[in-house]
Amino acid sequence: DTAVSQTPKYLVTQMGNDKSIKCEQNLGHDTMYWYKQDSKKFLKIMFSYNNKELIINETVPNRFSPKSPDKAHLNLHINSLELGDSAVYFCASSRTGQGRYNEQFFGPGTRLTVL
Amino acid sequence: AQSVAQPEDQVNVAEGNPLTVKCTYSVSGNPYLFWYVQYPNRGLQFLLKYITGDNLVKGSYGFEAEFNKSQTSFHLKKPSALVSDSALYFCAVRPNYGGSQGNLIFGKGTKLSVKP
Repeated sequence: DTAVSQTPKYLVTQMGNDKSIKCEQNLGHDTMYWYKQDSKKFLKIMFSYNNKELIINETVPNRFSPKSPDKAHLNLHINSLELGDSAVYFCASSRTGQGRYNEQFFGPGTRLTVL
Repeated sequence: AQSVAQPEDQVNVAEGNPLTVKCTYSVSGNPYLFWYVQYPNRGLQFLLKYITGDNLVKGSYGFEAEFNKSQTSFHLKKPSALVSDSALYFCAVRPNYGGSQGNLIFGKGTKLSVKP
């Protein structure tokens, strides 16, 4: 009964490759997020998305793109991987909307290593 | 620029002693404030939040936090620390733009180490 799940847990790949990380939530939430946690544990929002709006952090390279086949999924596609993309990527979800300020639920993370 | 500061990289506490993990913020308006905990090789877990009302908020695992508007602080506290509390703690702020999406700004994290 995992709330927010991500696959794969570990991803090791070569520079220049294209890869995807999948995220699914079974909480019925309407908004999903992707975060990047670097080697110093600093956590930074990359995207937030619901069925109405995609908000992109302006510092995120356009090699990164979120894709949402439905409300329960938000996958992260990364093209032309670079060494600096190595990090732990977290998916999260929450219930939002006017007057709702609910906490986000996080997935277990995907550790991406680019060689 | 909007930001969250956790001034301590690490806090060391003896088991049974009270603990405090500090957080201050710089955002416009009345923000919504959160604390999350991250255990090794795990995702973040929600501890507590302040939206409005009583400045003292109680959360999971015996933690509480006090919102101080004049000092723009939201320090995390626990009266008696446990070894199992050892983890990385993140303070987060959601600026209150009035929009519907809840993007959070995280502090850099504070490592809490509780020794027996």
